[in-house]
Amino acid sequence: DAGVIQSPRHEVTEMGQEVTLRCKPISGHNSLFWYRQTMMRGLELLIYFNNNVPIDDSGMPEDRFSAKMPNASFSTLKIQPSEPRDSAVYFCASSPMGGPYNEQFFGPGTRLTVL
Amino acid sequence: AQSVTQLGSHVSVSEGALVLLRCNYSSSVPPYLFWYVQYPNQGLQLLLKYTSAATLVKGINGFEAEFKKSETSFHLTKPSAHMSDAAEYFCAVSGMKTSYDKVIFGPGTSLSVIP
Repeated sequence: DAGVIQSPRHEVTEMGQEVTLRCKPISGHNSLFWYRQTMMRGLELLIYFNNNVPIDDSGMPEDRFSAKMPNASFSTLKIQPSEPRDSAVYFCASSPMGGPYNEQFFGPGTRLTVL
Repeated sequence: AQSVTQLGSHVSVSEGALVLLRCNYSSSVPPYLFWYVQYPNQGLQLLLKYTSAATLVKGINGFEAEFKKSETSFHLTKPSAHMSDAAEYFCAVSGMKTSYDKVIFGPGTSLSVIP
C-alpha cells in the first residue's frame, strides 16, 4: 500500500527561482497538510486542506508561498520567488478525516536548498 | 489555544536502560495528545495517541505514555532502550473543540542510545 508520495525528494535552486513541491496523499484520505521543518523553528504547519478546500493557511509565511489542491489525489506547494531562508525540509501529510484525533501519515519530505 | 513543551532537546540513554521523554502541554479545552517518531531522513510516524479513553496509552515498539491532567503532562516511556530507538520524538496536542482543530507539535527531543 503506497504511503504519501512527495516529489522531488531533493531540490537545489537559486534565489529568485520558482519552486514547486508536489504531494500525492494516501487514497481515501480527505485531509492534507503541508509542514516545514527547520532546525531553528522546528515543525511548522503551513496550510491544511479538507476535501480539497483550504481550511487554515495562517501558517503560510508570506505571499511568496501558495498551495493548491485541484483534486483529492494531488497537491502543490509553490514558492515564487524563492529565498535562501526558505531552505528547509517540507513535509506533506494526509489523514483519513479532518478530526484532530486522527493520525497523520507523513511523506518522506522534500529537502529544499535555495542558494 | 494549545502549546507543547518538551524538556530536553537531547536525551542519551544506555542500551537496556529506561527511556523517559518529557512532554507538558497547555490547552484551553480537553486535549488530544500524540507522540510521533522521526527516523533520520524520514517523515514522522505515529507512536501512540490519547483520546480521552484510558490514561495509560500503549503504542508501537514497546512505548507507552501516561496522561496526567493534574500535571498537564504526557511523558513517553519505554522500559528498555534498543539501538533502533535512536530518533527524534515529537509530542503534539490538539483540542477537541472542532473537527478542524490543528495539531501543534513540540520542538522535539533527539534520543541517542549508547551501546
